[in-house]
Amino acid sequence: RKEVEQDPGPFNVPEGATVAFNCTYSNSASQSFFWYRQDCRKEPKLLMSVYSSGNEDGRFTAQLNRASQYISLLIRDSKLSDSATYLCVVTGGYNKLIFGAGTRLAVHP
Amino acid sequence: NAGVTQTPKFQVLKTGQSMTLQCAQDMNHEYMSWYRQDPGMGLRLIHYSVGAGITDQGEVPNGYNVSRSTTEDFPLRLLSAAPSQTSVYFCASSRSDPGTEAFFGQGTRLTVV
Repeated sequence: RKEVEQDPGPFNVPEGATVAFNCTYSNSASQSFFWYRQDCRKEPKLLMSVYSSGNEDGRFTAQLNRASQYISLLIRDSKLSDSATYLCVVTGGYNKLIFGAGTRLAVHP
Repeated sequence: NAGVTQTPKFQVLKTGQSMTLQCAQDMNHEYMSWYRQDPGMGLRLIHYSVGAGITDQGEVPNGYNVSRSTTEDFPLRLLSAAPSQTSVYFCASSRSDPGTEAFFGQGTRLTVV
């Protein structure tokens, strides 16, 4: 079993749609959680950290459920520029980042 | 503001050749790491360093060596390239505080023939 599992995708949605990505992790000792965004043939970049209380950044909302070991990302009012691969990331020991395989999002006009 | 600089961006090697991927950061980060990214598998940790002079193995260290003689630099050496090492390699750096953002280099696309 992979340590971090994500919806395989791809998600093909029209502009303006709301899309949700899910992620589960296996290590209950993980302390930090993130969503990174990776554009095609580019490096990953931090989209947002994820907190137990949930957090929002504009059109993006992230939720963490420690009891279920589940992380989600909600994107509202999708834009063409949101097309990318979204990586669910948790920390292992000492800041080691453990990545999910990523979910690809394609937003079309 | 350079951030994390990786070189080269592209490389083709013959089986058995050796090479070094360079990584440098100018943010005075203690923590640096190397990942490889293969289709459908996400990024996997090869080696990491928590400070100058300290390195440790990640999930997939075989066939790779690292050293950290300075805070800024963290080169990755392929000892004897194999086709299975064809991948995209990313270097990353961050502060040592848990939960801080990791900054990645632009990646090296390596093909071993």
